[in-house]
Amino acid sequence: GAVVSQHPSRVICKSGTSVKIECRSLDFQATTMFWYRQFPKQSLMLMATSNEGSKATYEQGVEKDKFLINHASLTLSTLTVTSAHPEDSSFYICSAPTDSYYGYTFGSGTRLTVV
Amino acid sequence: QKEVEQNSGPLSVPEGAIASLNCTYSDRGSQSFFWYRQYSGKSPELIMFIYSNGDKEDGRFTAQLNKASQYVSLLIRDSQPSDSATYLCAGIGAAGNKLTFGGGTRVLVKP
Repeated sequence: GAVVSQHPSRVICKSGTSVKIECRSLDFQATTMFWYRQFPKQSLMLMATSNEGSKATYEQGVEKDKFLINHASLTLSTLTVTSAHPEDSSFYICSAPTDSYYGYTFGSGTRLTVV
Repeated sequence: QKEVEQNSGPLSVPEGAIASLNCTYSDRGSQSFFWYRQYSGKSPELIMFIYSNGDKEDGRFTAQLNKASQYVSLLIRDSQPSDSATYLCAGIGAAGNKLTFGGGTRVLVKP
């Protein structure tokens, strides 16, 4: 089945530094990648949608200069959290649609802790 | 008003009983709905999807969709302790292919 590999699974960084999260589609071409953020005991909140070869679309309230998304190829989408602060600590998950209706494949998630 | 709403729970059920989860949505143009199970610290995993009015059964799970009432439900029969997790309802809106998640319902199955 379609697999999205997400790395790293956990990262701890110092406040003010940048962190890059990668999501790779292993056996299919992901023309679209959705990026979610999940705070403890809350649901997944869509941050942005990336499309291969074009600029990402950000949801209202998400700072596009802080959360840089690159989708330069059909198999790789990246999210860079720039100048991270403790309030950015969260669980970040990527997801790609494969087929219609049920084909949403999720990455395994990245637990980001900013200290 | 949130687009997809769920009771946050926790819903506590004894082992072997039926767990009933509900979800309502506001986008009348929504076509497809999904139930995901999420264990703490893990990504969501798909349990079922449904896009036609009525019931859909898969093993111990039954999903029900009522588009007139804008209501989706999930029944878990013969609940097991391993079913203890957060269940997320999600829908695809009329506007495109974005999944919108409800807040999730935490289910606790007690042995």
